[in-house]
Amino acid sequence: DAKTTQPTSMDCAEGRAANLPCNHSTISGNEYVYWYRQIHSQGPQYIIHGLKNNETNEMASLIITEDRKSSTLILPHATLRDTAVYYCIVRVAGDSNYQLIWGAGTKLIIKP
Amino acid sequence: EAQVTQNPRYLITVTGKKLTVTCSQNMNHEYMSWYRQDPGLGLRQIYYSMNVEVTDKGDVPEGYKVSRKEKRNFPLILESPSPNQTSLYFCASSSWTDQETQYFGPGTRLLVL
Repeated sequence: DAKTTQPTSMDCAEGRAANLPCNHSTISGNEYVYWYRQIHSQGPQYIIHGLKNNETNEMASLIITEDRKSSTLILPHATLRDTAVYYCIVRVAGDSNYQLIWGAGTKLIIKP
Repeated sequence: EAQVTQNPRYLITVTGKKLTVTCSQNMNHEYMSWYRQDPGLGLRQIYYSMNVEVTDKGDVPEGYKVSRKEKRNFPLILESPSPNQTSLYFCASSSWTDQETQYFGPGTRLLVL
C-alpha cells in the first residue's frame, strides 16, 4: 500500500507558485520522500527528493515538516507545460533493494 | 542522447499468444525494472534487475518473465497473456549508486483480447 496521501486534483494559475501537499504520517526515520511527475501517460520524470532538510533544484523546491509527517512540493512559476500528475513517493528498504511505493498522485492543472 | 527505449509502443494481442516487450538503455545503468500502470493506480513494480544475470520479483510478478543477458537490455516476456495484463507498461533504469532516481521509457500500451 502507498504510504502517502495526496489530493486527487489541484488547479493553479499560470505564472503563480504551485504548492502540492503530501501526507506521509507513517514514514520511518530513514525513508526518503521522492517526487516524480507524469505528463499525459508519458514515462514518469524525476523531480526532487529529500530526507529531513528542505531541498531545491532547477525544477522545484521540497519543504519537509520538522516531524517529517508531511511535505510540500513547490513549483515556483508554473507554466502550462507543468500540467501533469505529480507523485509523492516514499522510498522503503526491501530485502535486497530500495523500493519506491507509488500512490495515485495529484493531477495538477495549470490554467492560463 | 541518454534514453530508455521500449518496443513496441502499442500492441494488441490475443489471450495465450506469447509476446516480448523490449527495453534498452544507453546510460550504462546497472539497475533496471519493469512497472505496470492501471487507471487510478500508481506504478506497480513487476520485476527488477540489479545487474547482468541478476533479477528479482517486484510486487506483481505473476504471469511475467524477464531476463538480463546484457547490461543494456531488459526484455519483459508474457508467456501466455491474459486480459488482466492489459495495461500500460514502463521500463526504467538507474545507476547503482542512485537507484531511486529512475529514468523511464515512453511506455508500451498493451491490450490483450
